[in-house]
Amino acid sequence: EADIYQTPRYLVIGTGKKITLECSQTMGHDKMYWYQQDPGMELHLIHYSYGVNSTEKGDLSSESTVSRIRTEHFPLTLESARPSHTSQYLCASSGGQGGLFFGSGTQLSVL
Amino acid sequence: RKEVEQDPGPFNVPEGATVAFNCTYSNSASQSFFWYRQDCRKEPKLLMSVYSSGNEDGRFTAQLNRASQYISLLIRDSKLSDSATYLCVVNTVDSSYKLIFGSGTRLLVRP
Repeated sequence: EADIYQTPRYLVIGTGKKITLECSQTMGHDKMYWYQQDPGMELHLIHYSYGVNSTEKGDLSSESTVSRIRTEHFPLTLESARPSHTSQYLCASSGGQGGLFFGSGTQLSVL
Repeated sequence: RKEVEQDPGPFNVPEGATVAFNCTYSNSASQSFFWYRQDCRKEPKLLMSVYSSGNEDGRFTAQLNRASQYISLLIRDSKLSDSATYLCVVNTVDSSYKLIFGSGTRLLVRP
C-alpha cells in the first residue's frame, strides 16, 4: 500500500479565500504530481516536480501554485479561490520509472 | 489526436464474462505502460504494469503491441467487483518523465 497522504479530504470554502492543499509521501519518491479531475472526466496534470526546488506547470493551465522545499512535501496553494476551482485535486508520487501512487484526493467546493 | 486514446464504453457484461479493452498511443518511442483502475469518486490505483513480453496477474492479462502502438487488458471470469473505470497510462518521451492518462473505459459487470 502506498504511503501518500492528502489533507483535507473535503474542503468547502467561500470565494476569495486563500487555501493550501497538503500532500505528503513517506516513500522517498523524487517525483510528485498534482492532477485535477471533475466527476466522470479525465485526469488533467496541473503541476509536477522532479525534486526539491523543482516545479513545473502541467498540461492544464491552473491558477494554483506549488512548492517543493522538502522531498516528502508538495503543497498546492490557491491565493483566491473561485467557484471555477471547484474540483477534485489528486496528488501522486513516483520513484524511478515506475507507476504513480495517488493520495485519496481533496474534494474542493468553492461557494 | 490525443496521445492516449481509449474507448469510453461503458462495457456492460454479465458476471463470468471475458472482456478486453484496447488503448492506442501516438508516440512510438514511449517506453512505460500501465493499467490503472479507478472506482467512482476514488483515486486511481495501479492495476498492473505492461511489459513487452506481456504479463498476467490472476484473472488479468496485459499485452503490448509496439508495431501497432496499442496495449490491451483482458479480464477473465468477470466479478461484480471489477466494475470500475480502467485507465490506460503511457509515459512521455521528452526530457521530462510524465505519465499521460487516457480518458478511461468504464466497465459494468451485472449479476
